[in-house]
Amino acid sequence: GESVGLHLPTLSVQEGDNSIINCAYSNSASDYFIWYKQESGKGPQFIIDIRSNMDKRQGQRVTVLLNKTVKHLSLQIAATQPGDSAVYFCADHPYTGKLIFGQGTTLQVKP
Amino acid sequence: DAGITQSPRHKVTETGTPVTLRCHQTENHRYMYWYRQDPGHGLRLIHYSYGVKDTDKGEVSDGYSVSRSKTEDFLLTLESATSSQTSVYFCAISESVTDTQYFGPGTRLTVL
Repeated sequence: GESVGLHLPTLSVQEGDNSIINCAYSNSASDYFIWYKQESGKGPQFIIDIRSNMDKRQGQRVTVLLNKTVKHLSLQIAATQPGDSAVYFCADHPYTGKLIFGQGTTLQVKP
Repeated sequence: DAGITQSPRHKVTETGTPVTLRCHQTENHRYMYWYRQDPGHGLRLIHYSYGVKDTDKGEVSDGYSVSRSKTEDFLLTLESATSSQTSVYFCAISESVTDTQYFGPGTRLTVL
C-alpha cells in the first residue's frame, strides 16, 4: 500500500540556523500533502500544505518544496527558534479523508 | 486547536470495561475523524464520519465503534477495552473530504 517516510527520525540544529526536514512518498498519483507540527502533549498542528500543481509554497518562516519526479518533499524552517522544537509529520492526503502519515522527525533546537 | 475539544483528556481503566471518548467541535465541519497515535506506528485512522449518522471504517477499526448523532459530537467507544488499546487518541475535523484536517488536543488512555 501507499506509504510516507521521513528520512531522519531526529534532527538537531543550532538556534538561528535553517532546518530542513525531508519526506518521501510512494504513490506517484499523490496530489496533496500537509505538514504538521506536534509539540509534546499536544495534538498535531497544521503548518503548511502543498498540492501537486505547485513546486514550492511559502508561509511564515516555512517553505515546502515538492519534487514529484523523485516523490520527495521537504519542509524548510528559516532561523530556527527554540519554539520550533517539536515532532514534524508529513501526510499524504489522497482526497479520501484517510491521511497517510509518516513516522515523524523530532527537531531539537540547541541554544 | 481549531475549536475542537476532547474529553476526558486522561483516562485509566481496566481490561474488559467499556470506554467512551468524546470529541466536540464548534466549527460546524461535516467531517470528523478518530486517530490513534502509538510509538513506531505514527497516526492511524480508526473511524471517520461524513455526516450525522454516517460513518465508515479506517485502517485500525477492530475493537472500536463510533456514533454521531449531532454535527458537533463524535463519540468513540471501546466496547471491552484491552491493553493493546492503550494509546493517545486524537479527533480531527475537516470541512470536506478534500480539505485539511485539524486536530484536537488528544486523550491519553491507559488500559491496565
